[in-house]
Amino acid sequence: ETGVTQSPTHLIKTRGQQVTLRCSSQSGHNTVSWYQQALGQGPQFIFQYYREEENGRGNFPPRFSGLQFPNYSSELNVNALELDDSALYLCASSFNAGGPETQYFGPGTRLLVL
Amino acid sequence: AQSVAQPEDQVNVAEGNPLTVKCTYSVSGNPYLFWYVQYPNRGLQFLLKYITGDNLVKGSYGFEAEFNKSQTSFHLKKPSALVSDSALYFCATQWEDSNYQLIWGAGTKLIIKP
Repeated sequence: ETGVTQSPTHLIKTRGQQVTLRCSSQSGHNTVSWYQQALGQGPQFIFQYYREEENGRGNFPPRFSGLQFPNYSSELNVNALELDDSALYLCASSFNAGGPETQYFGPGTRLLVL
Repeated sequence: AQSVAQPEDQVNVAEGNPLTVKCTYSVSGNPYLFWYVQYPNRGLQFLLKYITGDNLVKGSYGFEAEFNKSQTSFHLKKPSALVSDSALYFCATQWEDSNYQLIWGAGTKLIIKP
C-alpha cells in the first residue's frame, strides 16, 4: 500500500449539490494531485497543490476547487454537481524536488451523481 | 502537445507466455515515462518509470519496460505471465512545462488465461 488514504470510499449525491472529498498524503510528501477517472477511461488531471498553493490546473471549470493544509492533506470540492461528474476521483501524493517524480495514488472515491 | 497512446484496448495472453503492452509517446523535450496498473475498484499502483539512463527499466512484480527513442515507444513486458497480472494498465508521461502533471493513455486491459 502507498500510505495515501482517501475518504469517503463511495458517495451518492444529487445534481446541484456540493461535495467534499478528502486525501491524506504519504508521509514526507509535499505535493498532492487530483485526477478524475470516468468509467473506461484514463485519469484526467484536475489540479495540483504544492505548499498549500495551486500549482497547475487541468481543463476543469472553477466549480472544482481544492485546498492543501499545512500537514499536506488535501480536499477537493465540487459545487453544483452535474451528472457527468460521476467518476472515480483519485488523489496522488509526491515529493516535489523540482523535477519529475513518482506519484503515489490512494484508492479513490467513487462519486455517483443522480 | 504531450500525448501518450496505447494502441490496444485489450491484450490476451496465455499463462506462462511472455506479455507485451504497447505504449507510444509524443513529447517535446525530455520524455519522462511511467507505467501504472489498476485492479478492479482500486486506485493506481506504480510499476516503473523511465527518467534517464539505461533504456531497460525493471519494476515491480517482474515487469520491465524498454525505452526506445527512435520509435518513441515505452512498451511494458514480462517474460512469463501470471493469471494475477490480469488488470488495466496505464502508460503516462510527465510534462516539465506543466509542473509535471501526469498525462495518461487510455489504458489497456490485460487478460491472462489459465
